[in-house]
Amino acid sequence: ETGVTQSPTHLIKTRGQQVTLRCSSQSGHNTVSWYQQALGQGPQFIFQYYREEENGRGNFPPRFSGLQFPNYSSELNVNALELDDSALYLCASSKDSFSAETQYFGPGTRLLVL
Amino acid sequence: GQQLNQSPQSMFIQEGEDVSMNCTSSSIFNTWLWYKQDPGEGPVLLIALYKAGELTSNGRLTAQFGITRKDSFLNISASIPSDVGIYFCAGDTSGTYKYIFGTGTRLKVLA
Repeated sequence: ETGVTQSPTHLIKTRGQQVTLRCSSQSGHNTVSWYQQALGQGPQFIFQYYREEENGRGNFPPRFSGLQFPNYSSELNVNALELDDSALYLCASSKDSFSAETQYFGPGTRLLVL
Repeated sequence: GQQLNQSPQSMFIQEGEDVSMNCTSSSIFNTWLWYKQDPGEGPVLLIALYKAGELTSNGRLTAQFGITRKDSFLNISASIPSDVGIYFCAGDTSGTYKYIFGTGTRLKVLA
């Protein structure tokens, strides 16, 4: 039990739709990172938010966007869904942006795009 | 996106055996991390390495930061059934927490 929760656990969307995934950070954590994990692959870094500001981004197009709220919960939004967006989306919260030891992953949201 | 190469991709071992796996990169890394992921869960950090040549243990697990800074190794001694899972290495090239993950080593332990 990492104290990081994600919702929903699973969802199915169709190509072209928009989706919002949610993450509740561990208490006291001010940083959240989002990762995409395709089937059989390792997680890929999407972006990170630190104290409500985007603090770095991986190689993902602008249709992937995020928000972090004052209570440090977070959302990942994906517009114009494509079939390749089907994956497990993981969020990870940490005490500060550089601390691997305090970074805890949630169980993920599995997204299927048809 | 960029991913690190891990080997082996998968392995079956007998309970009690030692396990070795490694991770290589074409780039120099400043940090190496090793994670384990169980089905339906997110990755859990096992060991973090911050200096070339560093050797760090966590119970039956030992990991090393390669001298070239382009590789890392994880050893599991006296494997037990609960060691089953997928092991990922991850690295950071610039101290910017944009961790790049490996392709994973799937471990199955035969009792």
